[in-house]
Amino acid sequence: GAVVSQHPSWVICKSGTSVKIECRSLDFQATTMFWYRQFPKQSLMLMATSNEGSKATYEQGVEKDKFLINHASLTLSTLTVTSAHPEDSSFYICSAIPGRGPYEQYFGPGTRLTVT
Amino acid sequence: EDQVTQSPEALRLQEGESSSLNCSYTVSGLRGLFWYRQDPGKGPEFLFTLYSAGEEKEKERLKATLTKKESFLHITAPKPEDSATYLCAVEDTGFQKLVFGTGTRLLVSP
Repeated sequence: GAVVSQHPSWVICKSGTSVKIECRSLDFQATTMFWYRQFPKQSLMLMATSNEGSKATYEQGVEKDKFLINHASLTLSTLTVTSAHPEDSSFYICSAIPGRGPYEQYFGPGTRLTVT
Repeated sequence: EDQVTQSPEALRLQEGESSSLNCSYTVSGLRGLFWYRQDPGKGPEFLFTLYSAGEEKEKERLKATLTKKESFLHITAPKPEDSATYLCAVEDTGFQKLVFGTGTRLLVSP
């Protein structure tokens, strides 16, 4: 149980375009989902926390107009990287917490974004 | 500010050679300490949650322990398939988010 999927697993886009990444909880309802970014050989850095039906809470230093998060249902959250630039190239990982305990975060497999 | 420090950064073991990974943490109030395993190019895989000092949990060759300042992940008789990066994270009672350490990269040679 507690499976989280992401789509796509990897994407290459041109500078200036937008990219949408989907995160789905497959066998549970997730009241809260998180988006992380991970650079090579570094740890996970939290970008934002999203709760179903409400606006996401962004971490300090994360541009909310650039990284748009929508948590439209209890099983789906999306991250849109708008006007992507090469420095946005990274590994993006989402996680979710089941609505009813335990409260461990279960992670998706990640999405590798490369901006050319 | 919550902080998590993991050591060593990298560890190379021979198959069957037991060892321990360390996670030192600073939080105002600990809601939980988490261990994850991450393989290259993949998302973290949940291993354990520890809630209070003195607690221990085991899973196959792994055993996690917790004190008020640190946690250890003991690996007994490791196998090559245990090679991965092991991440430690803490959740503060005041916040619903994880603060991760930088991880320990474990390589087990046959």
